[in-house]
Amino acid sequence: AQSVAQPEDQVNVAEGNPLTVKCTYSVSGNPYLFWYVQYPNRGLQFLLKYITGDNLVKGSYGFEAEFNKSQTSFHLKKPSALVSDSALYFCAVRDIKRAAGNKLTFGGGTRVLVKP
Amino acid sequence: NAGVTQTPKFQVLKTGQSMTLQCAQDMNHEYMSWYRQDPGMGLRLIHYSVGAGITDQGEVPNGYNVSRSTTEDFPLRLLSAAPSQTSVYFCASRPTGLYEQYFGPGTRLTVT
Repeated sequence: AQSVAQPEDQVNVAEGNPLTVKCTYSVSGNPYLFWYVQYPNRGLQFLLKYITGDNLVKGSYGFEAEFNKSQTSFHLKKPSALVSDSALYFCAVRDIKRAAGNKLTFGGGTRVLVKP
Repeated sequence: NAGVTQTPKFQVLKTGQSMTLQCAQDMNHEYMSWYRQDPGMGLRLIHYSVGAGITDQGEVPNGYNVSRSTTEDFPLRLLSAAPSQTSVYFCASRPTGLYEQYFGPGTRLTVT
């Protein structure tokens, strides 16, 4: 079975400081990894994905994530956080072997609060 | 394109009532899914479809039915609502060959 862990329920950071949101995963084969963001009373928005290739993935709104196979991690980062980055962030994984369907497994979410 | 649309936005049901949550997409996506979101548990897959006429169960399918008669629509039916089904429900879609999903705005359901 595949699983995702986001060890921090909330991350607080001052505006302008670096932001990191942690994610570790477990799959039986090679993973497809995703980050989504959810603003209040909205659906989830896709930020970035790792499918194959370069371990550093760049996405929307200045976010990036680093895939580390040995540590089974896919941490989300932003060099300089903005107040508008305050939201709920979800990491998700899909086993590459599961070619059919939409069996995407989500972590529990990490709330990011960026203070001015 | 309107993207993924969901109706209603809010709904209150009494235990035992039935209802259908509507989901539609105008992007000609083959894959569609229903998730529920509960605090601290992320999103959990209820049912999904890989194309018109084909559906399958996800992680938490009990108490829910789906059908996919057209590419555009993927309704979720609650046959006999229970308080444990109080949640926020999201519909999502993706095209063949892409891996990221597009989510609707959600339906907040309360069962009393």
